[in-house]
Amino acid sequence: ETGVTQSPTHLIKTRGQQVTLRCSSQSGHNTVSWYQQALGQGPQFIFQYYREEENGRGNFPPRFSGLQFPNYSSELNVNALELDDSALYLCASSPGTSGGEQFFGPGTRLTVL
Amino acid sequence: QKEVEQNSGPLSVPEGAIASLNCTYSDRGSQSFFWYRQYSGKSPELIMSIYSNGDKEDGRFTAQLNKASQYVSLLIRDSQPSDSATYLCAVSRGSTLGRLYFGRGTQLTVWP
Repeated sequence: ETGVTQSPTHLIKTRGQQVTLRCSSQSGHNTVSWYQQALGQGPQFIFQYYREEENGRGNFPPRFSGLQFPNYSSELNVNALELDDSALYLCASSPGTSGGEQFFGPGTRLTVL
Repeated sequence: QKEVEQNSGPLSVPEGAIASLNCTYSDRGSQSFFWYRQYSGKSPELIMSIYSNGDKEDGRFTAQLNKASQYVSLLIRDSQPSDSATYLCAVSRGSTLGRLYFGRGTQLTVWP
């Protein structure tokens, strides 16, 4: 167990809807990164939050947005869901932004119908 | 060329054998290298990190890094059926330290 928690575990939405995924980082970690993992692929970086500010973004459209709160927990919001958004969404926490170890939560499995 | 490439697999070894997993990366500025294990339906679990050239051993696992060849590997000695999983190689680049670039993973099966 990494101490990183995510909710919900599973989610089913229809195309065009909006979704919010939540993550609580490991104690002592101030940085949260979000990744999308499609079936049979490695995780793809969405963005990272450090001290409530976005600190880097991958090749994802603006309908993917996020927040980090003062307690370092984080949300990932996806608007106008598309079928290709169906994936495992992973949150990783780390003690900083210096390229060190990242520890993943259990993930949220999103299915878009 | 992809940022991180892993040997395609799947890899199948008998119990007790050495499993060798390989990974190459494209950015010479890469600084940190990680191996994650992912069981089917689960999230990735960090098993090794390596930052400098050479070998790093942790129990039955040995990570090897060769920055000149842009190559990192993971050896699993005395493989056990419980090692059957997908192994993901991840790299952190100097220019975007907080972001991990992952390979597609190598599926390992250890048969009794």
